[in-house]
Amino acid sequence: QVQLVQSGAELKKPGASVKVSCKASGYTFITYDIGWVRQAPGQGLQWLGWIAGDHGKTNYAQRVQGRVTMTTDTSTSTAYMELRRLRFDDTAIYYCARKPRRFDAFDVWGLGTMVTVSS
Amino acid sequence: SYVLTQPPSVSVSPGQTARITCGGNNIKTKSVHWYQQKPGQAPVLVVYDDSDRPSGIPERFSGSNSGNTATLTINRVEAGDEADYYCQVWDTSSDHPVFGGGTKLTVL
Repeated sequence: QVQLVQSGAELKKPGASVKVSCKASGYTFITYDIGWVRQAPGQGLQWLGWIAGDHGKTNYAQRVQGRVTMTTDTSTSTAYMELRRLRFDDTAIYYCARKPRRFDAFDVWGLGTMVTVSS
Repeated sequence: SYVLTQPPSVSVSPGQTARITCGGNNIKTKSVHWYQQKPGQAPVLVVYDDSDRPSGIPERFSGSNSGNTATLTINRVEAGDEADYYCQVWDTSSDHPVFGGGTKLTVL
């Protein structure tokens, strides 16, 4: 079945970097895009960016522009999201989600990766 | 940028119909998608392209989109439908998704 398996929880200090992985299975990786969305405790969904599964085109949200890099490794069907210069308000659950080309919704989600920024 | 507005909460009794709205400027020109998120879980797509359902989503879930308001309708509400619901569209000017603030559905 289609799955997105994310890496485990992370605890980081302010100013550090974190890299979250998202391994896809059950479908042809390069024919879909991957989006990244985060959710701070008790808050709503906040879009961070997306990356095309084939050619690696990216589009980042202004809120993290300059601090985020999204990449893919097509040989392992894995997407990555690196966030640098972490701040306390980056504490959130980070989700990856699959976006089909034929419509603009996210049809499969990973279970999420908790990233805690604490001194 | 495009803004989506949802009511913070909606309450309904079991067996009744819940309607969750999503307001946006001329939203009828956009495709609206809806997600259900239960506590401690990842979001799940329940309606896409205004009114289509992914496989496995009960027919009790339906959607509509007209004017400046899109609506998610849940018929014969069950206790298990209690969750946060988010609407989403794609902002073509910036080529990125926009999420509503979410609506907490409480089943009384």
